[in-house]
Amino acid sequence: SAVISQKPSRDICQRGTSLTIQCQVDSQVTMMFWYRQQPGQSLTLIATANQGSEATYESGFVIDKFPISRPNLTFSTLTVSNMSPEDSSIYLCSVEGAGLAFNEQFFGPGTRLTVL
Amino acid sequence: GQQVMQIPQYQHVQEGEDFTTYCNSSTTLSNIQWYKQRPGGHPVFLIQLVKSGEVKKQKRLTFQFGEAKKNSSLHITATQTTDVGTYFCAVFRSNDYKLSFGAGTTVTVRA
Repeated sequence: SAVISQKPSRDICQRGTSLTIQCQVDSQVTMMFWYRQQPGQSLTLIATANQGSEATYESGFVIDKFPISRPNLTFSTLTVSNMSPEDSSIYLCSVEGAGLAFNEQFFGPGTRLTVL
Repeated sequence: GQQVMQIPQYQHVQEGEDFTTYCNSSTTLSNIQWYKQRPGGHPVFLIQLVKSGEVKKQKRLTFQFGEAKKNSSLHITATQTTDVGTYFCAVFRSNDYKLSFGAGTTVTVRA
C-alpha cells in the first residue's frame, strides 16, 4: 500500500486568488493523478502528473487554470488559479504503480476548497 | 466521461438486510474495479475483477463480473452500519487506460 498526505486539508479562499495543493507519497510511484470531486458527485480526473514532463490534461481542464508540477516520483502539486466559487470542491491526488498492486489506485485524504 | 451506468444512485437499507448495486456498460470491459468512500473520507480500493463470470468475496461483500464483461454487481449481505458510504465502480478507458468512475451508489443504513 501507499501512504499519501495532502496539504492543506482544507482552505477557504477569496475569488481571484490561487491555491497550491501538495501531494506527498511515502514511496516512489509510477503514476500520480489529480481528481476533483464536487459535493455528492463522482470523481472527475483533472490530469495525470508526469515526472519530468508536462502534465496530461483531461478535456475541460487547462494548464493555465490548473498548473501541475511533479519534480520527482513521490511528490506533486496542483495549483487552482484565479479561483471562482465554481472551483469549490474536494481535490484528491491518487497514485498507482511501482510496487503497488497492479492497477490499484490509492487516494490521498483530499483537500476541501471553498471559494468565496 | 463516465463509461458506466451505476444503479441505484441511493440505497436506503434496514440493518441486517441485503442489497445489491449494479454497474452497466454498453461496451465490453477489460476489467472493473470497485471503491468505497466513507462519508467525509476518500475512495478506498476494494477489488478488481478481470475474468468473465468472475465472483469474488470479501466477508459479507460479493463482487461479480458478468459473462459478457459488460456489467458487474456488488452484493452486501446482512448490512451493518459500517457499510455506510458511497460505492463506486471504475473502468479503464479503452484509449488511454485511465480510470473512469461511475456515479456511485450512496448507501445509508437504518438501525
